Amino acid sequence: KQEVTQIPAALSVPEGENLVLNCSFTDSAIYNLQWFRQDPGKGLTSLLLIQSSQREQTSGRLNASLDKSSGRSTLYIAASQPGDSATYLCAVRDDKIIFGKGTRLHILP
Amino acid sequence: DVKVTQSSRYLVKRTGEKVFLECVQDMDHENMFWYRQDPGLGLRLIYFSYDVKMKEKGDIPEGYSVSREKKERFSLILESASTNQTSMYLCASKMGGGEQFFGPGTRLTVL
Repeated sequence: KQEVTQIPAALSVPEGENLVLNCSFTDSAIYNLQWFRQDPGKGLTSLLLIQSSQREQTSGRLNASLDKSSGRSTLYIAASQPGDSATYLCAVRDDKIIFGKGTRLHILP
Repeated sequence: DVKVTQSSRYLVKRTGEKVFLECVQDMDHENMFWYRQDPGLGLRLIYFSYDVKMKEKGDIPEGYSVSREKKERFSLILESASTNQTSMYLCASKMGGGEQFFGPGTRLTVL
C-alpha cells in the first residue's frame, strides 16, 4: 500500500533563503507526482506536476525533482518571500491519488 | 485557466438534515473527486467519478452519496448529516494523467 510522507511537518525560514521541502513515497511504480500549496481555509493550488518519465519541473522560483528509484521528490523554493508562507502538499498517483499530510512553511520577514 | 467552483464557502446545518454540496468545473474534465480534509488526517477521498453517471467509492464513502448527471457537475450528498461530518470538503477535477485542480473548499459545520 502506497504511503506518502512529508517531513518536517512544519518549517520556519528567514526571508530570502532558499529552501527544500521533502516528499517520500514507498512504492516507486507511480504515474506522476504533483505539488500543491494550500493557504489557510482555502483549496489546494497546483504548483507543479512531474510525470514518471521526468526528473524535474520548474516554474518561476520553484523547482520540483523526482527520483522514483529512491521514492523521493523535493520542492526547491528560491529566494523565499513572506507570501510563500502556506502548507505544501505532495500527491502521488499510482492506481489512486495519495496525498502527504503537508509541510507548513512559515517565512519570517 | 481551469476553474473549479463550489456552491458554498461556508455552510451550517443541523443533525439529520440532507445536505447538498455542488461542484462545477469548466474544462471538460472526465474525472472529478470529492475529498474531506481534517486536521491530522490530511485529505481523504470520499468518492470519485470518471464519467457522467459513473461513480466509484473512495476510502471513506460511508454516510455520503454522489451524483454526476452532467460532465461538468459533481454533487456530494449527505443523506442525514451528523456531527462527525463537520469538515472541510474539497472538490477536484482532472483530465486523464494531467494535473488535478481543486475548488476553494466548503467548510461544513453540523450542529
